[in-house]
Amino acid sequence: GAVVSQHPSWVICKSGTSVKIECRSLDFQATTMFWYRQFPKQSLMLMATSNEGSKATYEQGVEKDKFLINHASLTLSTLTVTSAHPEDSSFYICSARGSGSSVHEQFFGPGTRLTVL
Amino acid sequence: QKEVEQNSGPLSVPEGAIASLNCTYSDRGSQSFFWYRQYSGKSPELIMFIYSNGDKEDGRFTAQLNKASQYVSLLIRDSQPSDSATYLCAGGDSGGYQKVTFGIGTKLQVIP
Repeated sequence: GAVVSQHPSWVICKSGTSVKIECRSLDFQATTMFWYRQFPKQSLMLMATSNEGSKATYEQGVEKDKFLINHASLTLSTLTVTSAHPEDSSFYICSARGSGSSVHEQFFGPGTRLTVL
Repeated sequence: QKEVEQNSGPLSVPEGAIASLNCTYSDRGSQSFFWYRQYSGKSPELIMFIYSNGDKEDGRFTAQLNKASQYVSLLIRDSQPSDSATYLCAGGDSGGYQKVTFGIGTKLQVIP
């Protein structure tokens, strides 16, 4: 199956700093990438959808100026959490889909655990 | 607000028994449904997807969809301790954007 990687797998940062998370599709071209956030004992919540070369579409309630998403190539999307605060501590997961793929062909990365002190 | 509802559990079953996981959804236009397994601290992995009413079987897993009742289920036969995980039900968006809405997940514990 298709492989999606995320880097870093975990990160600890101080409040007020910015953190960048990378999501890469290793063996296919990801025309669409999704960014999710999961708090403990809660479901995955979609934050935004990004299409290569276009601006990301953010879900209601997600601050686009705080969570910057760039999908500049068919294999890489980045999520930058700007001025992170402790309430941003969460498990961030990306998923990727190739052009023409069915809905179920959404491949998840391993996730990045962010802890903001 | 499109919702996918699941009982968070935990659901405990003895090894070898059938585990039955249930899910309801609010988006009547949704056409695709998914079951994901998520181990603690890991990202979800797709177990089953189903698009049509009725049953779909894959090995020990059977997904059932009833669009009239807006109900999806997953049966796991001959449950194994390795099946212990959280099972997330998800529904595809009817708006054509191919987004997926996840339920909270049901924690399954298979007791040896």
